[in-house]
Amino acid sequence: SQTIHQWPATLVQPVGSPLSLECTVEGTSNPNLYWYRQAAGRGLQLLFYSVGIGQISSEVPQNLSASRPQDRQFILSSKKLLLSDSGFYLCAWGGIGGYTFGSGTRLTVV
Amino acid sequence: QQPVQSPQAVILREGEDAVINCSSSKALYSVHWYRQKHGEAPVFLMILLKGGEQKGHEKISASFNEKKQQSSLYLTASQLSYSGTYFCGTEWGGSNYKLTFGKGTLLTVNP
Repeated sequence: SQTIHQWPATLVQPVGSPLSLECTVEGTSNPNLYWYRQAAGRGLQLLFYSVGIGQISSEVPQNLSASRPQDRQFILSSKKLLLSDSGFYLCAWGGIGGYTFGSGTRLTVV
Repeated sequence: QQPVQSPQAVILREGEDAVINCSSSKALYSVHWYRQKHGEAPVFLMILLKGGEQKGHEKISASFNEKKQQSSLYLTASQLSYSGTYFCGTEWGGSNYKLTFGKGTLLTVNP
């Protein structure tokens, strides 16, 4: 069966520090992968999605970037975090049959 | 463009029914429904493709009205476990599986 792993679960980072969140998928090949962000009490905002290795589409101009170095690996990065980057980051894989979300990373920028 | 969900919040007593609506200003290809418990990731409930079909999942079902570009989620005989935030995710065009989510509907079921 397909599983999705996301880490770390929580992260507290100072303003201006770099960020790297990793997501890996097992049990499927060539998955569509997504990064969403959810601010406290808010909806899910699509940040990036990828349909294959090296293929990244950005939805919102921002301080973040994404990369897909391997088929089942999706990485969210930032060179310098801002206070506004705080939130709940969710990786997901899927397509027409529905999305499966990772357990999420709660990022607090201080 | 983000789909519009209504109501924003609803409070029920156990056993009562609720309807959550999701509307789009663009032609829909599919609508997904998810439930998120506090502090957890969203969990997939069901997907509806254009064609006006209705789907069921225990006492939770949904419909898709293609003409109105609207989907509704029906929760009947609600249970305490139904509490959470419900999100609809809409896909337009059917070519890239990219979902845009509504702002969510907070459902609280009290004993």
